[in-house]
Amino acid sequence: KAGVTQTPRYLIKTRGQQVTLSCSPISGHRSVSWYQQTPGQGLQFLFEYFSETQRNKGNFPGRFSGRQFSNSRSEMNVSTLELGDSALYLCASSSGGPSSYEQYFGPGTRLTVT
Amino acid sequence: DAKTTQPNSMESNEEEPVHLPCNHSTISGTDYIHWYRQLPSQGPEYVIHGLTSNVNNRMASLAIAEDRKSSTLILHRATLRDAAVYYCILRDGPQSGGYQKVTFGTGTKLQVIP
Repeated sequence: KAGVTQTPRYLIKTRGQQVTLSCSPISGHRSVSWYQQTPGQGLQFLFEYFSETQRNKGNFPGRFSGRQFSNSRSEMNVSTLELGDSALYLCASSSGGPSSYEQYFGPGTRLTVT
Repeated sequence: DAKTTQPNSMESNEEEPVHLPCNHSTISGTDYIHWYRQLPSQGPEYVIHGLTSNVNNRMASLAIAEDRKSSTLILHRATLRDAAVYYCILRDGPQSGGYQKVTFGTGTKLQVIP
């Protein structure tokens, strides 16, 4: 079974631009979560999508948004990029059951904002 | 928000057991305790989870204190491949508005000495 894939793996953008990251979950998984990882803040939860609906949301500004398609693939968008948005963005998929579920993480997209 | 506290780093000799502690004194009754680990240049990997009772799987054991304010991840025989950052995670139960937060601990960097 193929794992979680994320594209692109690396990205360099300029302040003020916007960016879209893509995540393809494991086949059959309906939940996709997004995380931001930085050396200073560690792993922070952005949001979770389940069956095309945002189910959970972390404490990030509205510049961070996402969506999920009917095939469970998900995209995350960051508008008006700031230098502090430079991070590793991780996507994780799961079957989407109750809280006690296992998440499978992708390798991440390394975003650098200059 | 329920927060977790972990030691920044620990060392273990190869082939010996390792006990990784996590404090979560503000845990709520419906929070599940999850452990993940992250190897260098990879996304996090699920290790184990539990609610109240101790849990065992092929990778590790999870010991949960009776008052649930702390837990310990036990690797029975550390190998070099176990060198990673270990995260203790709480997942809140449903709240009003369906808003949930996933709080990551600071993580413990485990070094395994041959």
